[in-house]
Amino acid sequence: AQTVTQSQPEMSVQEAETVTLSCTYDTSESDYYLFWYKQPPSRQMILVIRQEAYKQQNATENRFSVNFQKAAKSFSLKISDSQLGDAAMYFCAYPKRGSQGNLIFGKGTKLSVKP
Amino acid sequence: DTGVSQDPRHKITKRGQNVTFRCDPISEHNRLYWYRQTLGQGPEFLTYFQNEAQLEKSRLLSDRFSAERPKGSFSTLEIQRTEQGDSAMYLCASSPGTSGGLSYNEQFFGPGTRLTVL
Repeated sequence: AQTVTQSQPEMSVQEAETVTLSCTYDTSESDYYLFWYKQPPSRQMILVIRQEAYKQQNATENRFSVNFQKAAKSFSLKISDSQLGDAAMYFCAYPKRGSQGNLIFGKGTKLSVKP
Repeated sequence: DTGVSQDPRHKITKRGQNVTFRCDPISEHNRLYWYRQTLGQGPEFLTYFQNEAQLEKSRLLSDRFSAERPKGSFSTLEIQRTEQGDSAMYLCASSPGTSGGLSYNEQFFGPGTRLTVL
């Protein structure tokens, strides 16, 4: 079965510091997308960053970047210069093989940001 | 606001009652997804529509669950004879069609409907 594992149920970071959230996954596909979604306390999920597996370069979106290790099936999210608004649940996800894109999510990591 | 909307935001019902949720996707999106999220878990896929056609259903979608998207626009999710185990957040997401040969599926989520079955 395809799985996504987020081994850190909770993480905490000091404001302005850097934090890395880990994610591993299991797929036999060679080309696929990977996603990090953020779910703030208001519960509406938004896309933070995406990575295309065939691209070697790690994706970056402002303060958010990924460390994509394809051979290790690892896809971690780094948040630099953490802000109070970054506090949320973060979910790693990727499309289920053979599906029309329905996403398999990890259990999430709850990130707290301390002022 | 042109995002995904869901109605109602909260629903409390008694066990055995039927409930129906509505999702309005982003207008130009032809794909619509329903997910269920229980406390402490990530969302789990329930079903998928391409326009008005329901093309994929999860094993989680028991025969008490039915979803429709009659005109390829809004969608409804009905749960019949609700059980306490149905208590969860029901999320709707929409996306545009695929781009190129690889399915790139950025999904835009609604705020969810929180169902509590007493």
